[in-house]
Amino acid sequence: NAGVTQTPKFQVLKTGQSMTLQCAQDMNHNSMYWYRQDPGMGLRLIYYSASEGTTDKGEVPNGYNVSRLNKREFSLRLESAAPSQTSVYFCASSWGGVGGVYEQYFGPGTRLTVT
Amino acid sequence: GESVGLHLPTLSVQEGDNSIINCAYSNSASDYFIWYKQESGKGPQFIIDIRSNMDKRQGQRVTVLLNKTVKHLSLQIAATQPGDSAVYFCAEIFMNRDDKIIFGKGTRLHILP
Repeated sequence: NAGVTQTPKFQVLKTGQSMTLQCAQDMNHNSMYWYRQDPGMGLRLIYYSASEGTTDKGEVPNGYNVSRLNKREFSLRLESAAPSQTSVYFCASSWGGVGGVYEQYFGPGTRLTVT
Repeated sequence: GESVGLHLPTLSVQEGDNSIINCAYSNSASDYFIWYKQESGKGPQFIIDIRSNMDKRQGQRVTVLLNKTVKHLSLQIAATQPGDSAVYFCAEIFMNRDDKIIFGKGTRLHILP
């Protein structure tokens, strides 16, 4: 099992450019999440998807959109990148509370710089 | 409001000693807590969890203690090793709010030789 994979690993964008961060998991998990992590900060939830076909806003959704393409894949899109979106982005997946299991598995992260 | 915080941003511990990392939470409705370890350049990794109806849980070399009276969570690592160097996060989960998860800012554990 590859677990949670993310592409790309690194990206530099100019202000106003758009891009999509890809995430896939092969653990048949129900829930998927996108977080951002800024220096000296904890993880902040951007969006999550409790099941295929549903998405919900997290703590910091402004400037982002998501798509739960199927059970395996959950993408994060920046329509018009801003320097404030410079961060490390993590995708995670979990059973989402099924059987009382909440443990999240994280991808390796995408380092995004917006100039 | 809801918050998960940490008492110390950096903790230095001698190799072989025990480490104690603390976490305070403010919402008494929290159902479930998880400790994660994040090594440099990697995503967080699950260490141990505890439900709000428990006050202690043990794993391999790690113990989590939950004190609901003072809303305090701690992670104890026995016989700290160089491989334990990382940032440790506590996370708070609200099971009656679509499993909303709040992460603390993290504590960096530094192992002294």
